[in-house]
Amino acid sequence: DIVMTQTPLSLSVTPGQPASVSCKSSQSLLHSNGKTYLYWYLQKPGQPPQLLIYEVSNRFSGVPDRFRGSGSGTDFTLEISRVEAEDVGLYYCMQSVQVPPTFGGGTKVEIK
Amino acid sequence: EVQLVQSGAEVKKPGESLKISCQGSGYSFDTYWIAWVRQMSGKGLEWMGVVYPGDSDARYSPSFEGQVTISADKSTNTAYLHWSSLKASDSAIYYCARLSKPRFYGSGSYPDYWGQGNLITVSS
Repeated sequence: DIVMTQTPLSLSVTPGQPASVSCKSSQSLLHSNGKTYLYWYLQKPGQPPQLLIYEVSNRFSGVPDRFRGSGSGTDFTLEISRVEAEDVGLYYCMQSVQVPPTFGGGTKVEIK
Repeated sequence: EVQLVQSGAEVKKPGESLKISCQGSGYSFDTYWIAWVRQMSGKGLEWMGVVYPGDSDARYSPSFEGQVTISADKSTNTAYLHWSSLKASDSAIYYCARLSKPRFYGSGSYPDYWGQGNLITVSS
């Protein structure tokens, strides 16, 4: 199985300030077709996960442009340009270059 | 609007059986794979398996093979997760989710829409 490692475990951010979450995979997520299968989800308190980013850097429908995904190979980053109160929750990365997909352990984002 | 509506919370005793459901609407239910994902209390997300409602083809993650049964009924747009004999360690929230690409499960599959979750508590 591909192991996904997220850092930090948690971060506390002042509203309006940026935040960044890192995700590293134990194997490259680059498929032979040239696509990289890395995704980001946000689980707000008491809610199911919701898709933010697919294939490294594509925002899902309705996701604000303050969310930006980047990276390649085994190293990926989710950046929030200006954190808002509604962004609190657990952020998970997920790979699906190999099935079954596997998730990172999660990063908790809180507001200061 | 794509929606996945899951059956309610359950409280069961060890050894009892249980079947929870996930009903889809707003899209062609029989052409998208449905995944089941477990979240134990305070923990992360674990992929359990998937089912294709079109022909009920089910695939399991190794950790869950033989522990649960995943099925679907395309006539009612419903997917199911079944335990024949619950254990206390099965206590968790279970989510169903639609995979994004019609008719496909493999590299590049990912959930795009999720159900609200079923809280399952198993206690004597």
